[in-house]
Amino acid sequence: SQKIEQNSEALNIQEGKTATLTCNYTNYSPAYLQWYRQDPGRGPVFLLLIRENEKEKRKERLKVTFDTTLKQSLFHITASQPADSATYLCALLTGGGNKLTFGTGTQLKVEL
Amino acid sequence: DVKVTQSSRYLVKRTGEKVFLECVQDMDHENMFWYRQDPGLGLRLIYFSYDVKMKEKGDIPEGYSVSREKKERFSLILESASTNQTSMYLCASSFSPNYGYTFGSGTRLTVV
Repeated sequence: SQKIEQNSEALNIQEGKTATLTCNYTNYSPAYLQWYRQDPGRGPVFLLLIRENEKEKRKERLKVTFDTTLKQSLFHITASQPADSATYLCALLTGGGNKLTFGTGTQLKVEL
Repeated sequence: DVKVTQSSRYLVKRTGEKVFLECVQDMDHENMFWYRQDPGLGLRLIYFSYDVKMKEKGDIPEGYSVSREKKERFSLILESASTNQTSMYLCASSFSPNYGYTFGSGTRLTVV
């Protein structure tokens, strides 16, 4: 069956460290993978999109990698801050490329 | 910035009522989507639309219908609300499936 798996356990890190979140998928061949941030009681906010022919994408303190052989994406936040605390969702373009399917998200807590 | 506006933040309805959830976007996007989000299940796609008067079923369309009479407005209809439809409902729009989605703030619906 098709699955998008993100670590359901919260990730707690210290301010200033690099946070690394993982997204694994099975039985998909996505052309695109996206990452979103979601704060409690709010809608997700788009962060980054990476294409299957791109190994890595950066935006300010964010970095995303996409390994189609391992079927995995890693999402890094460098120099993390308490304001980065949120749930981060990965999403794949599926269904022939016309709909976005989401993982369940990983909660990140950045402590002082 | 694209804005997606959902008409209500909180709704309480009785079992059997017909419920309308409204969503409006202001950036002339062709694509609009309705998701529901439940703890442990993540976001699940209910319906989506690529054009006016066009609709396609998502992964969990049962018990729902949609209407898109104008490009900027996409309505989700619960014909006869049931308690298992208590959830957070999120509307989104995008320029194309290959671009990031812009989500509304969500409507938390409680069916009693």
